Amino acid sequence: DTAVSQTPKYLVTQMGNDKSIKCEQNLGHDTMYWYKQDSKKFLKIMFSYNNKELIINETVPNRFSPKSPDKAHLNLHINSLELGDSAVYFCASSPGWQANEKLFFGSGTQLSVL
Amino acid sequence: GENVEQHPSTLSVQEGDSAVIKCTYSDSASNYFPWYKQELGKGPQLIIDIRSNVGEKKDQRIAVTLNKTAKHFSLHITETQPEDSAVYFCAASKDKVSNTGKLIFGQGTTLQVKP
Repeated sequence: DTAVSQTPKYLVTQMGNDKSIKCEQNLGHDTMYWYKQDSKKFLKIMFSYNNKELIINETVPNRFSPKSPDKAHLNLHINSLELGDSAVYFCASSPGWQANEKLFFGSGTQLSVL
Repeated sequence: GENVEQHPSTLSVQEGDSAVIKCTYSDSASNYFPWYKQELGKGPQLIIDIRSNVGEKKDQRIAVTLNKTAKHFSLHITETQPEDSAVYFCAASKDKVSNTGKLIFGQGTTLQVKP
């Protein structure tokens, strides 16, 4: 069973479109995250939710809106996609909200904006 | 805020040799230092971590050392094997009692182990 699963794995779309990436974890963790990995492999946190509550919201354009319907799911909706949004987006989870907890990553969604 | 610098960006070694990746951090309050391995097409996976009350930690062929005075920590892989080829990330964070912490990643090191 996949612990952290995200869909789709690949997403190719045109500039200006709106798209969503879904994430689910079956580990019973309280905290979920979205990370962005750029073409140089740099990993940067975007958002973090603990028990459906937003706890980390980095400097991310308003076009990105996370939604957590329950603590096992964290989705990412992106409006008006731009070329610079092309990256690999990783969902992750951890047992709690402390920064010293092990992160469990999904396999990533490669977003290509044309 | 915290800044983590990682070197080298790429590292190529012969199978059986050792590999060392180094990181420095800026926030002296940081006290948790994990290392993640990312294989091609997969998400990063924790391979070892160290806390500030420990100077060295070992798990089979991998070890991590921490020098709090100099604010740097290193990953050592001995007897490298082709399956060690991956991108390795160091990270740093500090515990917060009443607020959420954040894990800050280094830029990554692409390790290639040649058979």
